[in-house]
Amino acid sequence: NAGVTQTPKFRVLKTGQSMTLLCAQDMNHEYMYWYRQDPGMGLRLIHYSVGEGTTAKGEVPDGYNVSRLKKQNFLLGLESAAPSQTSVYFCASSSPAGGQPEAFFGQGTRLTVV
Amino acid sequence: RKEVEQDPGPFNVPEGATVAFNCTYSNSASQSFFWYRQDCRKEPKLLMSVYSSGNEDGRFTAQLNRASQYISLLIRDSKLSDSATYLCVVNMGNAGNMLTFGGGTRLMVKP
Repeated sequence: NAGVTQTPKFRVLKTGQSMTLLCAQDMNHEYMYWYRQDPGMGLRLIHYSVGEGTTAKGEVPDGYNVSRLKKQNFLLGLESAAPSQTSVYFCASSSPAGGQPEAFFGQGTRLTVV
Repeated sequence: RKEVEQDPGPFNVPEGATVAFNCTYSNSASQSFFWYRQDCRKEPKLLMSVYSSGNEDGRFTAQLNRASQYISLLIRDSKLSDSATYLCVVNMGNAGNMLTFGGGTRLMVKP
């Protein structure tokens, strides 16, 4: 029972490089999210998706793009990495069914941009 | 003003103590509320949902005050293993059931 899996777990990028973070969930959840967490700050929503083929901007979307081609996968792309994107990235998923939607998180990706 | 605000702490308490955290939220239309726990360098995990009538789970009690727009978490008989960051989380009820996180309150329980 994997839940939410993120790859990679760690990455170091040079400024200007690109990369894609992959999030996969096996709970058949409709909703998926990408957050970033910086020291001393809460999680901030980057982008989210309410279903396959749909994405929307969150609180801090600049510098990121996302795609949800398959229901179980949510990809986060950095086209030209900047040092300000050094952070821990968490993917989460939830289901609209039920009265209290709990979000399940992946283990995080620690990204350093030098 | 942040949508969800918490005292960052740290709260340093001895084992066996009772400690309480508060969290305020700005959107009166918020629909559901949670406390998540996050251990150092780990992902957040749901600790408990917060219901209007208040709810208890063992040593943990959560309460919601809609009129004053705050939620609270009470931990009784603190254990060393309770040391973590506690995140107040609010579902604004908008599209996508987006969760808005507070900055977290760090708790350190000492022997």
